[in-house]
Amino acid sequence: DVKVTQSSRYLVKRTGEKVFLECVQDMDHENMFWYRQDPGLGLRLIYFSYDVKMKEKGDIPEGYSVSREKKERFSLILESASTNQTSMYLCASSFVVGHEQYFGPGTRLTVT
Amino acid sequence: GENVEQHPSTLSVQEGDSAVIKCTYSDSASNYFPWYKQELGKGPQLIIDIRSNVGEKKDQRIAVTLNKTAKHFSLHITETQPEDSAVYFCAASVWGQGGKLIFGQGTELSVKP
Repeated sequence: DVKVTQSSRYLVKRTGEKVFLECVQDMDHENMFWYRQDPGLGLRLIYFSYDVKMKEKGDIPEGYSVSREKKERFSLILESASTNQTSMYLCASSFVVGHEQYFGPGTRLTVT
Repeated sequence: GENVEQHPSTLSVQEGDSAVIKCTYSDSASNYFPWYKQELGKGPQLIIDIRSNVGEKKDQRIAVTLNKTAKHFSLHITETQPEDSAVYFCAASVWGQGGKLIFGQGTELSVKP
């Protein structure tokens, strides 16, 4: 079975802090994704990566950056956390972009 | 770009009844339409998908229908059970061309025993 793990289930940070969210997948998938999930807005794509060291902006990249140094690991970085970044963050991976995605359990981030 | 609209946002049914969730999409090039189920405390998981070369697909109690002319697709759950309670997301993409999955807003389904 594909397994996507995220480093934290719950995280509380202060405004202005630098925040790292880590994601690891064990299926040798080329593609990895970061979404944020907010009620009534569905899943919105922040960034995705189709290869090591490659990244592309999604629909809402402002205030975020990413890092993919190894194929299995994709990190989301909030350079200076703000309260409007309080949300559920979901990581996913897939063999082919646009095909079935496998999701991690999510990290609920609260910025106070 | 593609836009996917999903309705209703919440749905409450009695156990044993059927539930229907509907999505519309805007990009006529989209040809892959998956449905994901998200249980409490978990990430979304694919439950069924359909490609544009078929109009309907069934898997036990769940089915998906696609109307390419009208650009809408629907999820049907029959004989609902309490364990069907979850948030359901539809999505659309262009299969095989690197198109990203575009998700709908989600439907929170509650099945009352």
